[in-house]
Amino acid sequence: GAGVSQSPSNKVTEKGKDVELRCDPISGHTALYWYRQSLGQGLEFLIYFQGNSAPDKSGLPSDRFSAERTGGSVSTLTIQRTQQEDSAVYLCASSSDYNSPLHFGNGTRLTVT
Amino acid sequence: QQQVKQSPQSLIVQKGGISIINCAYENTAFDYFPWYQQFPGKGPALLIAIRPDVSEKKEGRFTISFNKSAKQFSLHIMDSQPGDSATYFCAARGTYKYIFGTGTRLKVLA
Repeated sequence: GAGVSQSPSNKVTEKGKDVELRCDPISGHTALYWYRQSLGQGLEFLIYFQGNSAPDKSGLPSDRFSAERTGGSVSTLTIQRTQQEDSAVYLCASSSDYNSPLHFGNGTRLTVT
Repeated sequence: QQQVKQSPQSLIVQKGGISIINCAYENTAFDYFPWYQQFPGKGPALLIAIRPDVSEKKEGRFTISFNKSAKQFSLHIMDSQPGDSATYFCAARGTYKYIFGTGTRLKVLA
């Protein structure tokens, strides 16, 4: 497919477990973003990658959250010791460069029970 | 200063009417202002965007009006259709990130 792909589309986990969310950006897109969307809220910035480096990770809510990007392509967002307040839709977006518009995936809906 | 304030939270419009959504920002360093449309279960999709050196941009039934001095911008949807029923987000681009408004849920009645 030509779009941003995220997996899994839905994830239910127990409080205290670790989860990994995956993002496959559009081929050739160097910029990659993670956002979090909670019910009734806007999109909350988490982290920005340019290539494999993250010049801005200021939005990560706590040290339980981490993200990496390898080969300038796939990115993984990891949440350790999940809490109920982590329940949200996690969205990934990519763009061909800083000046190009964002293309979003359909997100991963995370539910922590 | 990094916030983008969006209103209204929800909007109901009759088919054929005009839908208007407003956003305001504080940070004058923002350099690009897109609007996104989101349907349930889908990611946001770019609808239309404007740069701060332009006061208006029109694409089909969608128009952005931009007031740099007031630090406000708005989306106008002319001849609103039931298929336009979705959540709309304004955004502003800063350094390394886009700041999004809280969204407006639009319902267009048939």
